[in-house]
Amino acid sequence: GDSVTQMEGPVTLSEEAFLTINCTYTATGYPSLFWYVQYPGEGLQLLLKATKADDKGSNKGFEATYRKETTSFHLEKGSVQVSDSAVYFCALNQAGTALIFGKGTTLSVSS
Amino acid sequence: DGGITQSPKYLFRKEGQNVTLSCEQNLNHDAMYWYRQDPGQGLRLIYYSQIVNDFQKGDIAEGYSVSREKKESFPLTVTSAQKNPTAFYLCASSTSGRNTGELFFGEGSRLTVL
Repeated sequence: GDSVTQMEGPVTLSEEAFLTINCTYTATGYPSLFWYVQYPGEGLQLLLKATKADDKGSNKGFEATYRKETTSFHLEKGSVQVSDSAVYFCALNQAGTALIFGKGTTLSVSS
Repeated sequence: DGGITQSPKYLFRKEGQNVTLSCEQNLNHDAMYWYRQDPGQGLRLIYYSQIVNDFQKGDIAEGYSVSREKKESFPLTVTSAQKNPTAFYLCASSTSGRNTGELFFGEGSRLTVL
């Protein structure tokens, strides 16, 4: 079945460092891809999405490009802030089905 | 404001007791979902419902039950048959059709079995 694999954390960075969180997927068909973020003690929020190959999703300085040839959707940010500390989830879905999540990657940014 | 409300935020249960977690949304969304979150496991789907009076089992439905009598409400009952119920439970909703991946989440309910 469909699945999502994320790099294991925690990822620990200093403020203004470059961030990459790897995400690869296995799916039949052409899924939509998502990144969600969970701040401490809260539910998840949609961070960005891409619905077809070569699409780039972006929001709040984060970017991810839907790469069908490598089945990847890596999350990047050029300069992280302390406020970016959270758990990041990669996810996919096919139309009409429920979202499938990766296991999450914890990011900790120190000043 | 539109959103999803889960209650209670914290809940303690003795072994052998059933407990019901509430989830209400005023976003007029057709689909609703329950996920369970455990450390290092990510989110796992328990049940989901795409329309009123209909729901489907997710990956870990054993020991749980749901109902969907109203569009706005999707309560989850954790029964005594659930072997390891201590977890963080998240409810979510979405519009139907191609946008089912854009989920709106509640703030979660943390259940602890004593």
